[in-house]
Amino acid sequence: SQELEQSPQSLIVQEGKNLTINCTSSKTLYGLYWYKQKYGEGLIFLMMLQKGGEEKSHEKITAKLDEKKQQSSLHITASQPSHAGIYLCGADSATDSWGKLQFGAGTQVVVTP
Amino acid sequence: DSGVTQTPKHLITATGQRVTLRCSPRSGDLSVYWYQQSLDQGLQFLIHYYNGEERAKGNILERFSAQQFPDLHSELNLSSLELGDSALYFCASSPRGGRDYGYTFGSGTRLTVV
Repeated sequence: SQELEQSPQSLIVQEGKNLTINCTSSKTLYGLYWYKQKYGEGLIFLMMLQKGGEEKSHEKITAKLDEKKQQSSLHITASQPSHAGIYLCGADSATDSWGKLQFGAGTQVVVTP
Repeated sequence: DSGVTQTPKHLITATGQRVTLRCSPRSGDLSVYWYQQSLDQGLQFLIHYYNGEERAKGNILERFSAQQFPDLHSELNLSSLELGDSALYFCASSPRGGRDYGYTFGSGTRLTVV
């Protein structure tokens, strides 16, 4: 089955600083999805990437999918307290049945004053 | 509010019991997916239903079963509950083909087995 490696596991960033989270797949991806979760709560959809080289931005969050479609990065510019939470990458494999999202273990982000 | 409704939000039950979790997908979405999130296993895919039919299964235990009804809501039935079944259970929905339209998650049902 597909495995997704997320790094780092956790990070502490000072408010106003940038941060980057990486997600690497062991298989070729069909689609890569980024979600944010507050502890014990639901998953909030951030972005979906499908094409190699694709880059999407929303407010201060940018996500990229590399050309070979096996790695994605999520970049937050000028972090704010509202960016704190757990970021999860999920992926559809190009060969598995659709809907069987595999998820990384998550990256916990803490934003300090 | 994501548009995916899950009930109940919290459930506490004893070992050996049976519970039913309910999910109403976003209006117009035909697919429903169930996931289990636990501290040791992370977020795991359980099962996918599309327009009433089972489409894919993940690591779903035999004690667990699901169905999707004609009105497209779905239920996940968990029986002979064990302490290890304590987890957050999420439902997600998508239009016809989730991989081209994305997956919207509900706020989850927290199950505690005591």
